Amino acid sequence: AQTVTQSQPEMSVQEAETVTLSCTYDTSESDYYLFWYKQPPSRQMILVIRQEAYKQQNATENRFSVNFQKAAKSFSLKISDSQLGDAAMYFCAYRRVDKLIFGTGTRLQVFP
Amino acid sequence: ETGVTQTPRHLVMGMTNKKSLKCEQHLGHNAMYWYKQSAKKPLELMFVYNFKEQTENNSVPSRFSPECPNSSHLFLHLHTLQPEDSALYLCASSQEGLQGWTEAFFGQGTRLTVV
Repeated sequence: AQTVTQSQPEMSVQEAETVTLSCTYDTSESDYYLFWYKQPPSRQMILVIRQEAYKQQNATENRFSVNFQKAAKSFSLKISDSQLGDAAMYFCAYRRVDKLIFGTGTRLQVFP
Repeated sequence: ETGVTQTPRHLVMGMTNKKSLKCEQHLGHNAMYWYKQSAKKPLELMFVYNFKEQTENNSVPSRFSPECPNSSHLFLHLHTLQPEDSALYLCASSQEGLQGWTEAFFGQGTRLTVV
């Protein structure tokens, strides 16, 4: 069975600094997709970034980038130049067919 | 309205009540989902509807009853719930097909409290 593990329940970062959130997953499949979702206090899950497993190049979206290590089954999220609006719960997710399997989330606090 | 809309935003119900959660998507997607989000637990997939047909029932108790009358609307009917059913219930939609798929888009959830 596929599982997704986020080992950091909480993280904090100073505004304008960089922070990395960790995620590991377990799968026997070779072709799959990974995502990072953000859930602010408004509760709506918002897609931050996605990575196709067949692509070796790490995905990047503005200040957000991932470090995808397929052999290690690791998928970390790096947030550069952190902003107050980045404060939220961040969930790592694995896509299996038409279903998403989520980790337990990491709460990110951003201090001014 | 755009995106995925859930109503109500908050719901308090007794264990003997019957209530329904509503989800509507305006994205033209063909798949809709119910997730349960409890504190300190991963989001749990409850039900999947693809082209209005239920394709997944993730061992959900029968006190939760989904309904998908069309590809834009999804309901979750609740009856004789337990206090441990208190959680945030999230609806999501996506476009699924052999030609490709989109990521899941989520609503803002219904915060359910069972007393």
